Amino acid sequence: AQSVAQPEDQVNVAEGNPLTVKCTYSVSGNPYLFWYVQYPNRGLQFLLKYITGDNLVKGSYGFEAEFNKSQTSFHLKKPSALVSDSALYFCAVRVPSGSARQLTFGSGTQLTVLP
Amino acid sequence: EAGVTQSPTHLIKTRGQQATLRCSPISGHTSVYWYQQALGLGLQFLLWYDEGEERNRGNFPPRFSGRQFPNYSSELNVNALELEDSALYLCASTISGRAYYNEQFFGPGTRLTVL
Repeated sequence: AQSVAQPEDQVNVAEGNPLTVKCTYSVSGNPYLFWYVQYPNRGLQFLLKYITGDNLVKGSYGFEAEFNKSQTSFHLKKPSALVSDSALYFCAVRVPSGSARQLTFGSGTQLTVLP
Repeated sequence: EAGVTQSPTHLIKTRGQQATLRCSPISGHTSVYWYQQALGLGLQFLLWYDEGEERNRGNFPPRFSGRQFPNYSSELNVNALELEDSALYLCASTISGRAYYNEQFFGPGTRLTVL
């Protein structure tokens, strides 16, 4: 079975500072990893994904994520946080085997960027 | 290009009633996924439809059902509503349901409240 853990329910960071939202995964096989963001009363917006290749993935709105196979992690990062980045962030995983295509999501991390 | 649309935005029902939620995928997308986002439970996979057929379902009772129409839009039906069915129901679509690496694009959700 595949699972995703987001160990921090809440992350606070000052505007202009770098931010990191942590994600670790547990799968059998090679994972496909995704990050989504959810603003209040909205659906999820896709930020970026790791499929294969370069471990550093760049995505929307200046976000990037680093895939680390040895640590089974896929942390989301941004060099300089904006107040508008405040939202709920979800990490998700899918394993390329079997008939399932749905994503398995972490529990989410609420990011608050303080002005 | 229009995104994934869902209707209604809000739905209020009483226990025992039936609810019908609708989803229109992005044009060209053949695959539709349904997720439940309940308070404290995170995002749970409900159903996956691809090219008109149910391909996979999550760990939900049979009173959760749905279908996909020839134009790839989809309907989620919840029978015999219970209080714990109150949640945000999210629909997502992908360009090709069979590919593991495709990201899913989410609609804004339907907020179902069961009284």
